[in-house]
Amino acid sequence: NAGVTQTPKFRILKIGQSMTLQCTQDMNHNYMYWYRQDPGMGLKLIYYSVGAGITDKGEVPNGYNVSRSTTEDFPLRLELAAPSQTSVYFCASERGRPNYGYTFGSGTRLTVV
Amino acid sequence: DAKTTQPPSMDCAEGRAANLPCNHSTISGNEYVYWYRQIHSQGPQYIIHGLKNNETNEMASLIITEDRKSSTLILPHATLRDTAVYYCIVILANAGGTSYGKLTFGQGTILTVHP
Repeated sequence: NAGVTQTPKFRILKIGQSMTLQCTQDMNHNYMYWYRQDPGMGLKLIYYSVGAGITDKGEVPNGYNVSRSTTEDFPLRLELAAPSQTSVYFCASERGRPNYGYTFGSGTRLTVV
Repeated sequence: DAKTTQPPSMDCAEGRAANLPCNHSTISGNEYVYWYRQIHSQGPQYIIHGLKNNETNEMASLIITEDRKSSTLILPHATLRDTAVYYCIVILANAGGTSYGKLTFGQGTILTVHP
C-alpha cells in the first residue's frame, strides 16, 4: 500500500513553460486535493475533486488546471509557469469520512526561473 | 470554519510530555478539531481528531475543554523525531463526513524536542 505518490520530487521550470504534476493514490479514496506551500507559510488549497469527473476550485486556482478521469489519479497542470508559482506542491486524499484524516504525498518542489 | 490560535513555538525535553495548546473560541457545534504535524520538507501527517470527547490513539491524546473553546494535544513521551510544526485545525464536516479539503493551515506551533 503506497498511499499517495507524487512525481516528480523536484523540478526547475523556465518562465512560460508548462508541466504536469502527477498524483496517484491506491487507497480508493473518493476525495483528492492539491495544495501549495510557500516558504514559511501554511498550505493553501488549489483544487479538489470529490470523485472521478468532478473537480472544483480551491483558494488559489489561478494558473492551474486539474482533471480527474479515474479514482486513482489527480494530475495538476501548470500551463504558463511564473515565478510566483515557485512552491512546494502537496497532493492529498481522503476517504470521505471524518474518522480517517487526510493522507498527504511527499510533495513536489517546483522552482520557476 | 473557526479560526485557531496557537503559540508560535515550544520546547520540550526528550522523554517528557509535550502539551500543545490551541484556542478555537468561535468553534461551532458540528466542527471537529484536527491535529496534523509537518516534519521538515515532508507532507503533513494526520495525528488525531475529536468533536467533544477526549481522544487517544497510538500517537497522541487530545483533550477538548467542556465548552470546546480550546484543546490540548499531548505527546506523552516526546522524542527527537517529534520535532515538527504542529497544526490545530477546526473543520466543519458535512453530513457525508468530509470538509472537502478545506484544511486551513495557519502558522502552527514549532515544537522542538531537545536531548
